[in-house]
Amino acid sequence: QTVVTQEPSFSVSPGGAVTLTCGLSSGSVSTSYYPSWYQQTPGQAPRTLIYSTNTRSSGVPDRFSGSILGNKAALTITGAQADDESDYYCVLYMGSGMSVFGGGTKLTVL
Amino acid sequence: QLQLQESGPGLVKPSETLPLTCTVSGGSMSSSTYYWVWIRQPPGKGLEWIGSIYYSGSSYYNPSLNSRVTISLDTSKNQFSLKLSSVTAADTAVYYCARLQRDYRNFYDYWGQGTLVTVSS
Repeated sequence: QTVVTQEPSFSVSPGGAVTLTCGLSSGSVSTSYYPSWYQQTPGQAPRTLIYSTNTRSSGVPDRFSGSILGNKAALTITGAQADDESDYYCVLYMGSGMSVFGGGTKLTVL
Repeated sequence: QLQLQESGPGLVKPSETLPLTCTVSGGSMSSSTYYWVWIRQPPGKGLEWIGSIYYSGSSYYNPSLNSRVTISLDTSKNQFSLKLSSVTAADTAVYYCARLQRDYRNFYDYWGQGTLVTVSS
């Protein structure tokens, strides 16, 4: 069973920067997994932020960026704002329409 | 603009089958570019991939749910459906339908708003 790991929680100061990561319980995350990132606020459907490792979805500000850092995918938020306080999910693509979601990171801006 | 809308019962009894339908509007389902996907989120927990179906009808399921899940497609109605059998309280969740865009992108570009299904007698 493939397990995608994310930090359960993280906090950032307003205006600050934070990097959330997405790893595999065994092995390394590479671009071949087409890592994507989604933001979710309570009661709402997820919103696509980043796909194919580092491509921003339409309308997503350039404060959000994706990359591979070492053996993990990473989502970096710069200039954090109050409305960035959300849950962030990483998804890795396994082929043939199959995906695995990470457990999510709850980001607090304070 | 593509829209996805889930529909189905909000309450299902334990041991019964949970049936949901996703209606797609503003676009065709008969394209090789996309998979059509079901995802769920138990209250207060994370997202879980349930399964997907391709325009050809080929389907793929989460191994942890495999024996209980069936996803089907009706392109004439622009709908795809989920059936989850032998449900328990652990299947209580918000169920989302979504579109996965293929072709070296492989990400969810459209989501439904989600529908809460509670399993209770």
